[in-house]
Amino acid sequence: EPEVTQTPSHQVTQMGQEVILRCVPISNHLYFYWYRQILGQKVEFLVSFYNNEISEKSEIFDDQFSVERPDGSNFTLKIRSTKLEDSAMYFCASNLGRGNSPLHFGNGTRLTVT
Amino acid sequence: SQQGEEDPQALSIQEGENATMNCSYKTSINNLQWYRQNSGRGLVHLILIRSNEREKHSGRLRVTLDTSKKSSSLLITASRAADTASYFCAITSGSARQLTFGSGTQLTVLP
Repeated sequence: EPEVTQTPSHQVTQMGQEVILRCVPISNHLYFYWYRQILGQKVEFLVSFYNNEISEKSEIFDDQFSVERPDGSNFTLKIRSTKLEDSAMYFCASNLGRGNSPLHFGNGTRLTVT
Repeated sequence: SQQGEEDPQALSIQEGENATMNCSYKTSINNLQWYRQNSGRGLVHLILIRSNEREKHSGRLRVTLDTSKKSSSLLITASRAADTASYFCAITSGSARQLTFGSGTQLTVLP
């Protein structure tokens, strides 16, 4: 069964550094998402992406975040200047985008900002 | 917040018993979905129930939805140790496609 893949599985970075988290969504999916989960807390929506542009974004997704689909397969989340509070699991997801289409999640990237 | 809390926050049962988890929400919904998360892993979709449905089954899973009470329950019958995981409900509402998740129930099934 096709799956969403994310790399790296764990990223450690220093405060103020830029990080890029990578995802390969399922190939025939049309909508792509980033969610994050701070340890022990809820899974929070960051942004959705469709047709090469942001479809929706949450209050968390401020100017330090950006997303890109640089080619036909990858979907990336960039955090420009990381803060300690950006430490979390970041999950990529994709779906067909139809009203009742479930999300398929990757296994996440654990970002640790020191 | 669109989403209320799930209860219980943690549930520990013996293998073979049934596990019931509840989810409440605050807004009108398009659908409600349940996901499972093993420790340190991604979320796996379990079942989706539309706002005009009241009950749905999938294998050992039974989901109910009461839109008048804005609540849902997930029943796992004949639980197994492998069912140990966190279970999250999530809703879509309005024109938004993204899911809004609850805080989850940590289920532990003891062998």
